[in-house]
Amino acid sequence: EAGVTQFPSHSVIEKGQTVTLRCDPISGHDNLYWYRRVMGKEIKFLLHFVKESKQDESGMPNNRFLAERTGGTYSTLKVQPAELEDSGVYFCASSPLAGGLNEQYFGPGTRLTVT
Amino acid sequence: ELKVEQNPLFLSMQEGKNYTIYCNYSTTSDRLYWYRQDPGKSLESLFVLLSNGAVKQEGRLMASLDTKARLSTLHITAAVHDLSATYFCAALYGNKLVFGAGTILRVKS
Repeated sequence: EAGVTQFPSHSVIEKGQTVTLRCDPISGHDNLYWYRRVMGKEIKFLLHFVKESKQDESGMPNNRFLAERTGGTYSTLKVQPAELEDSGVYFCASSPLAGGLNEQYFGPGTRLTVT
Repeated sequence: ELKVEQNPLFLSMQEGKNYTIYCNYSTTSDRLYWYRQDPGKSLESLFVLLSNGAVKQEGRLMASLDTKARLSTLHITAAVHDLSATYFCAALYGNKLVFGAGTILRVKS
């Protein structure tokens, strides 16, 4: 079974530019999460989709960040315009909708560097 | 709001020694998770702890949970070089994970 995949693995952009990160969850997983780790800090929650609906976007830092999950499959996270403080590693995770352990499976992350 | 404190942040161990990583969380949580991350790789799930007194073991790693003390521990027995990685604990808060800062573990021969 394929795991969570993310693209690109690394992106270097200039301040003011736009970047779009993509996450493909494990097939059949209705829950999809975005997290971010800024250098030297904890991994922090950004938002949670259930299928195509945003369930919780309380962690989104500001309106420069836009997440979508059209069709309830893959998700994109767009940063526009990027600022220096947006640099970090962006992780995506997915989990099945049914209860159980609520175990989230993580992708390898996208390392974003804003210069 | 739930906060998770993990310590130590960095741990340099000799092979064959034992050590413990601590994870305190500030308010009630339904689940406590331990993850391992190798450089440039995904977070790999190690343990999910559900209830007070839960203890799980896999190889040289053992995790436990004390919900009354709001404390989880990850105990490493007779460390080997392959255990070098970053270890995170995370508590479930609603549907989101709240992470500790991570412990960088280096096992020296």
